[in-house]
Amino acid sequence: DADVTQTPRNRITKTGKRIMLECSQTKGHDRMYWYRQDPGLGLRLIYYSFDVKDINKGEISDGYSVSRQAQAKFSLSLESAIPNQTALYFCATSAAPGSYTFGSGTRLTVV
Amino acid sequence: AQKITQTQPGMFVQEKEAVTLDCTYDTSDPSYGLFWYKQPSSGEMIFLIYQGSYDQQNATEGRYSLNFQKARKSANLVISASQLGDSAMYFCAMREGLLNQGGKLIFGQGTELSVKP
Repeated sequence: DADVTQTPRNRITKTGKRIMLECSQTKGHDRMYWYRQDPGLGLRLIYYSFDVKDINKGEISDGYSVSRQAQAKFSLSLESAIPNQTALYFCATSAAPGSYTFGSGTRLTVV
Repeated sequence: AQKITQTQPGMFVQEKEAVTLDCTYDTSDPSYGLFWYKQPSSGEMIFLIYQGSYDQQNATEGRYSLNFQKARKSANLVISASQLGDSAMYFCAMREGLLNQGGKLIFGQGTELSVKP
């Protein structure tokens, strides 16, 4: 099994729908992150969490929310999806001494 | 605010030749880390190499080396003896703070490398 698992791998949803992307990890890392990737823009940070009770907004948090249900689980929600949220989404984890592990990504299309 | 810049949207290299992918960064934190990741067409992010701001020597990992020029705030990736499988998107990233503090990564825009046979 992968160290960082993202579900679903691919999703097509309609404008206005609520959707949740899930991330679970077996690394035992405290720190978890959600990024989105758009062509030509690299990966941009949406939200990050340094432990279960610590959640922080990243560079582009508008339109997104997160939930850290446990050390191993960090979910990203789009409350009302819009087409410009079509992107590749990555979950990542890190722990001292600062290595990062990425999930395989979720390709989300909003139509 | 920290910033990472990759000015080469696309690069071509002949198989077996070396190639340099550029990365410049900006930060006011004296402690930071620089990373390079490879993203093949399948989409996963593959860690290649890491350089800490206090490291005295340039990092190397097999065919990958990081040309770290601190005064110029550059962290270029050098791939020696390019292979067809090196064709991918490459991202430079930076983390502010000491190594053992972890922390958020900031990414550059990426460089798409194509290796020609």
